[in-house]
Amino acid sequence: QVQLQESGPGLVKPSETLSLTCAVSGYSISSGYYWGWIRQPPGKGLEWIGSIYHSGSTYYNPSLKSRVTISVDTSKNQFSLKLSSVTAADTAVYYCAREEGWMDYWGQGTLVTVSS
Amino acid sequence: NFMLTQPHSVSESPGKTVTISCTGSSGSIASNYVQWYQQRPGSAPTTVIYEDNQRPSGVPDRFSGSIDSSSNSASLTISGLKTEDEADYYCQSYDSSNHEVVFGGGTKLTVL
Repeated sequence: QVQLQESGPGLVKPSETLSLTCAVSGYSISSGYYWGWIRQPPGKGLEWIGSIYHSGSTYYNPSLKSRVTISVDTSKNQFSLKLSSVTAADTAVYYCAREEGWMDYWGQGTLVTVSS
Repeated sequence: NFMLTQPHSVSESPGKTVTISCTGSSGSIASNYVQWYQQRPGSAPTTVIYEDNQRPSGVPDRFSGSIDSSSNSASLTISGLKTEDEADYYCQSYDSSNHEVVFGGGTKLTVL
């Protein structure tokens, strides 16, 4: 069974960089699929942040592209998200997911609050 | 930018049938697959329909998906409504040419 687990700080200061990691078990990232990040502000809808292909090619939401970096570490079977220059508007539950045009496996999500 | 528009909320009684629409802003919604996710409060989304009308294993056949090219929209239909179906539902598609993923704004389904 494929499982994904997000980890990282739950509190980030404004203007700093948000960093999260998604550990994958039950499937080798290097075998295929895209691996993506999605976020959901409190009480609001889902927003795709970006995805990385197992080969390392990246795809980002145009509205966030200037601040987002997604990377993969196949040796640890995990992928990561960095979002720079955060503001309160970046407060959200962040999910990682396996995708191939659609998300078939999701992590449980982790709440990141941007506050001083 | 391609956008997907859903009604903010729908409600229906147990045992009835409800349809949630998802309308594409431009281009043809039929050009790329549409997926539907169910999200209950405090939980991650789960897929109820993928590739327009396919159900993952474990999803009851009360859930069905369709595409209407004439209205450039996708629909999720839930028949024989149960109280456990009460949740938020999101449609999602993607542009295969640049792998841009798009979600609809979500629809809150109330079963009462």
